[in-house]
Amino acid sequence: DVKVTQSSRYLVKRTGEKVFLECVQDMDHENMFWYRQDPGLGLRLIYFSYDVKMKEKGDIPEGYSVSREKKERFSLILESASTNQTSMYLCASSYGGTGVNEQFFGPGTRLTVL
Amino acid sequence: AQTVTQSQPEMSVQEAETVTLSCTYDTSENNYYLFWYKQPPSRQMILVIRQEAYKQQNATENRFSVNFQKAAKSFSLKISDSQLGDTAMYFCAFMNPRDNYGQNFVFGPGTRLSVLP
Repeated sequence: DVKVTQSSRYLVKRTGEKVFLECVQDMDHENMFWYRQDPGLGLRLIYFSYDVKMKEKGDIPEGYSVSREKKERFSLILESASTNQTSMYLCASSYGGTGVNEQFFGPGTRLTVL
Repeated sequence: AQTVTQSQPEMSVQEAETVTLSCTYDTSENNYYLFWYKQPPSRQMILVIRQEAYKQQNATENRFSVNFQKAAKSFSLKISDSQLGDTAMYFCAFMNPRDNYGQNFVFGPGTRLSVLP
């Protein structure tokens, strides 16, 4: 059974704190993604990675950075959290072969920045 | 840039009835893929069905089927014999194989479906 896990389901942080969100997949997928989900806006891509140490900006990268040191792990970093980063964060992964590949999602992390 | 619109923020349906969720998209591409994803309450998002734009035949997966109208840029999801477990947020998504190494999905805002007993 495919599995994408995220380090926390719920997280509460203070403005200005550095925040790490971790995602791990056990499917040996090449691609990994970080999305932000907000009501009425759907999912918006923050960053994605198609290989270890490789990353590409998505639609809303400002205020975020990512790290992929190992194939199975993709981290999202909020260098200095702000209240407008309060949101649900979803991680996903997919096979990197040719063709269009289904994305498998984690359960999400609901982040609140006070 | 591609956009995806879901005009129904919320819908409800009686158990065992049929419901159709609408989705429209905007693109100048000829080759692309469309998806419906389901996000049950407090559970992971999963793929329901996918459609390749070059295929004229509408995709079907058990009780789920789509009505793909390429000229109208419409991609609706029909759920037959609705079950309580179908209660979820449904997202329509578009993918252009030429964008971002062919892996960038554009999601609509979602439709929250409630199946009533």
